[in-house]
Amino acid sequence: DAGVIQSPRHEVTEMGQEVTLRCKPISGHDYLFWYRQTMMRGLELLIYFNNNVPIDDSGMPEDRFSAKMPNASFSTLKIQPSEPRDSAVYFCASRGGVSSPLHFGNGTRLTVT
Amino acid sequence: DAKTTQPPSMDCAEGRAANLPCNHSTISGNEYVYWYRQIHSQGPQYIIHGLKNNETNEMASLIITEDRKSSTLILPHATLRDTAVYYCIVRVAGTGNQFYFGTGTSLTVIP
Repeated sequence: DAGVIQSPRHEVTEMGQEVTLRCKPISGHDYLFWYRQTMMRGLELLIYFNNNVPIDDSGMPEDRFSAKMPNASFSTLKIQPSEPRDSAVYFCASRGGVSSPLHFGNGTRLTVT
Repeated sequence: DAKTTQPPSMDCAEGRAANLPCNHSTISGNEYVYWYRQIHSQGPQYIIHGLKNNETNEMASLIITEDRKSSTLILPHATLRDTAVYYCIVRVAGTGNQFYFGTGTSLTVIP
């Protein structure tokens, strides 16, 4: 099992540009989560999906952020337009059953200049 | 809404057991205790979880007190690669009850 795969590992962009982060969950996992980590705020849950349907997006900071899961093996987190304060490490995670643990990818480090 | 309390940092000598405490005095009867760790520049890694009984796997042991108000993660023979931030999380097993990470304990294993 390859684990949760995120791309790119690093992204540097200028303020105002669109950023798209990608995630491939572990096969068979029906929950997918997007987290953001910063020094100031730690790990924050942004949104999660169950069977490709967004269940709770209350952690999404602003309308500039959007997430989609078009199928069971792929999800995107988009920021448009990006701002310097969006600089962080963004993690994707997936899990199987409701009591199963989360499995995280290695994250995308986003820097917005 | 902090459900767990952990010391911000700890040191442990290489080869010795690392005992990481966690207080969860308001834990409910149906809430599990999960432990994760995060090594620098990597995603959090699942270690172990339990409800009432002590648990052991190839990575660690989890000791939960009888009243379930605290627990201890034990790394039996710490190595330098165990240097990481360790998170203790309590969570009800079910949809809508997600993993919320606090600030964790930064464990440094000293040669």
